[in-house]
Amino acid sequence: QVHLVQSGPEVKKPGASVKVSCKTSGYTFTSYGVSWVRQVPGHGLEWMGWISGYNGKSKNAQKLQGRLTMTSDTSTSTAYMELRNLRSDDAAVYYCTRVDLPAAGLFDYWGQGTLVTVSS
Amino acid sequence: SYILTQPPSMSVAPGKTARITCGGNNIGFKSVHWYQQKSGQAPVLVISFNSDRPSGIPERFSGSNSGNTAALTISRVEAGDEADYYCQVWDSSSDHRVFGGGTKLTVL
Repeated sequence: QVHLVQSGPEVKKPGASVKVSCKTSGYTFTSYGVSWVRQVPGHGLEWMGWISGYNGKSKNAQKLQGRLTMTSDTSTSTAYMELRNLRSDDAAVYYCTRVDLPAAGLFDYWGQGTLVTVSS
Repeated sequence: SYILTQPPSMSVAPGKTARITCGGNNIGFKSVHWYQQKSGQAPVLVISFNSDRPSGIPERFSGSNSGNTAALTISRVEAGDEADYYCQVWDSSSDHRVFGGGTKLTVL
């Protein structure tokens, strides 16, 4: 069975950074990618970017360029998302998803979500 | 960037058919995926590549895509189908993955 298990909720101050982990199991990590999607409570889904489990290549959404870094550790089948210089509008639930290669266009399994609160 | 347009909400009586649309410029040339998100839960893929049903998704869920409109159709709607539904595509020109704004389906 495919599972994506994310790290726990975070509370951060404006200007700080947050790093969320996504530990995967039940499939060959290097045969897929991991994408990150966030959702402000009560609002829709926003794609943030994705990273290839095969070669570590990543692609960020343009609006997050410069603040978002995605990494992965193939030895533990874990992906990471770090968002820097947090603002109040970054407060959201962050999801990791498995994506197909090479197009990374389909999100077939999702993590449980990590709530990130940004408050002074 | 590529924009996907969904109706914000719709309601349907149990046993009837719900058709949720997703509009986009020449969306018929793209592969559309649909996700169901129940309250407080992570999204679940219900339709992939316009009309394929992943394992475990009831046959009541079907999809279509042509011209400027894709659609998710839920036949014989049940109370358990009440959820938010999102369409999604890969915009190859920007290499971005794009979601529609979501449609809240209420079962009367």
